[in-house]
Amino acid sequence: SQTIHQWPATLVQPVGSPLSLECTVEGTSNPNLYWYRQAAGRGLQLLFYSVGIGQISSEVPQNLSASRPQDRQFILSSKKLLLSDSGFYLCALKTGVGTEAFFGQGTRLTVV
Amino acid sequence: GNSVTQMEGPVTLSEEAFLTINCTYTATGYPSLFWYVQYPGEGLQLLLKATKADDKGSNKGFEATYRKETTSFHLEKGSVQVSDSAVYFCALGNQGGKLIFGQGTELSVKP
Repeated sequence: SQTIHQWPATLVQPVGSPLSLECTVEGTSNPNLYWYRQAAGRGLQLLFYSVGIGQISSEVPQNLSASRPQDRQFILSSKKLLLSDSGFYLCALKTGVGTEAFFGQGTRLTVV
Repeated sequence: GNSVTQMEGPVTLSEEAFLTINCTYTATGYPSLFWYVQYPGEGLQLLLKATKADDKGSNKGFEATYRKETTSFHLEKGSVQVSDSAVYFCALGNQGGKLIFGQGTELSVKP
């Protein structure tokens, strides 16, 4: 079965510092991978998704970027964090059209 | 483009009441539709899904029918329990791999 590893679970970073969140998956090949942000009390905002190595679709213009250097690795980055980047970041995978998404445990990022 | 709109919460019901959470969507092509649930302090988990028009997804007493003519996928349960208190998310997955969620509806069931 598929598993998703996200780390760290919590992160406190100062404004202007860089960010790198990593998501790795096991138990599947060539999955679709997703990064979401869940702000407090609000829904899930799709940030990026990838259907293959090096293929990134960006959903909203923002201070973040994503990369997929390997089939089972999805990285969320920022060169300079803003206060508004605070939130709960979730990585997810899907194995095909119509299949359910599996979520990682998330990273709670607080920018101070 | 693709979008999902859910009724705003919070929804507060008494135990054994009937539940409806509305969800409508816009999409090109033939998306798959999902309901996810997030219990307090936990991650998201799939509740039910439907992959084509007129399909009915069901699980744990919850049901939702994929209505193409009204572009809706409303979640229903005949008799809610306190343990159903959670946030419910409607989601749409298109054939290009995109997966988007509604804003979530918080349900609180009182004994």
